Amino acid sequence: DTEVTQTPKHLVMGMTNKKSLKCEQHMGHRAMYWYKQKAKKPPELMFVYSYEKLSINESVPSRFSPECPNSSLLNLHLHALQPEDSALYLCASSPQPGTSFQFFGPGTRLTVL
Amino acid sequence: GIQVEQSPPDLILQEGANSTLRCNFSDSVNNLQWFHQNPWGQLINLFYIPSGTKQNGRLSATTVATERYSLLYISSSQTTDSGVYFCAAVIQGGSEKLVFGKGTKLTVNP
Repeated sequence: DTEVTQTPKHLVMGMTNKKSLKCEQHMGHRAMYWYKQKAKKPPELMFVYSYEKLSINESVPSRFSPECPNSSLLNLHLHALQPEDSALYLCASSPQPGTSFQFFGPGTRLTVL
Repeated sequence: GIQVEQSPPDLILQEGANSTLRCNFSDSVNNLQWFHQNPWGQLINLFYIPSGTKQNGRLSATTVATERYSLLYISSSQTTDSGVYFCAAVIQGGSEKLVFGKGTKLTVNP
């Protein structure tokens, strides 16, 4: 298995909803990442987990809450989002943090109404 | 932090033409990757190339680390090559943050 999977593919939520995005990889990678991408912009890093511990939080608002239950799984919990949070959310993994190749999942396209 | 700059921002080609995309970076890097983002948003890995030259079919890439640039060559372009091409780098001695350039939007017309 050489891919990163993300669910759901699309998500529409209201500003009072709580939802979660899920990312999974079975390549034995020890670093996992969340990125946010707005239209016509490059991906921007949100969080990095190295060996299942949060190592980088790019000053992301607390309405985004990451979780890494095990080395294969990464979640992003969403609560009280704003319409401007609508974006493509990309998950990635790499064998080791920092120096190695990052593999990206297909993304979840989120719309906040 | 590291700056990653791509040129040109937009490129329009006729099918069959060749092209060169450029990526300049401001610091020494451990990791330099090229991606193709298709119209559905999927980021497809093209090359992991912190230095040297690699080829994969009609695509090839060269990174000259000492001069802090990388080039992506597309030969005999096809309409399916359309999309946005990103380069991204991880700074040497820094954090594990992958910093993206703003991308080159390629349109290949039939």
